Amino acid sequence: QKEVEQDPGPLSVPEGAIVSLNCTYSNSAFQYFMWYRQYSRKGPELLMYTYSSGNKEDGRFTAQVDKSSKYISLFIRDSQPSDSATYLCAMSDSYGQNFVFGPGTRLSVLP
Amino acid sequence: SAVISQKPSRDICQRGTSLTIQCQVDSQVTMMFWYRQQPGQSLTLIATANQGSEATYESGFVIDKFPISRPNLTFSTLTVSNMSPEDSSIYLCSVERAGSQETQYFGPGTRLLVL
Repeated sequence: QKEVEQDPGPLSVPEGAIVSLNCTYSNSAFQYFMWYRQYSRKGPELLMYTYSSGNKEDGRFTAQVDKSSKYISLFIRDSQPSDSATYLCAMSDSYGQNFVFGPGTRLSVLP
Repeated sequence: SAVISQKPSRDICQRGTSLTIQCQVDSQVTMMFWYRQQPGQSLTLIATANQGSEATYESGFVIDKFPISRPNLTFSTLTVSNMSPEDSSIYLCSVERAGSQETQYFGPGTRLLVL
């Protein structure tokens, strides 16, 4: 079992749709959870950062963490073509010594 | 957030040669990291570079193949040595978020193609 798994696979949605991206993990030591957005031919850009369980909202983006289920989600409301990118979840333990990325989900938002 | 630049942004190299990638940060940082991202895949940590000490390499990566320098708190280099086509990848440096060692900011990456 991989340490971090991410679904869905490549995703195409119409403009305005609500997008749900998810990651599951196996290491209960993870306490910090991040979502990165990576545009083609660019480095990953930190999008959302949350600590422990709970929700965090930033504009059209909402990050959810459920540590009991070892499950995190990123929701994008009113998706735009400019949201088309690869989204990577990442997580680390208390000391940042174990920083792990998920495999990424490529999202295409169609106008 | 930190502003991170990398040079070169891309290169095409011949098998057997070496390439040194530079990473410059606009503020002093303790920890710098080097990652590899192979086509269509996620990021794999190569090594962690602390200023004033030897880099710490992850399993599967060795200093002879990927020597790293960290001469000061704003700069690091990664050399990809004796390259083969399997080294074709994007190489990214990152730094810890200020005040939070639990997350990182990334540079734009160096896209390397080895023929």
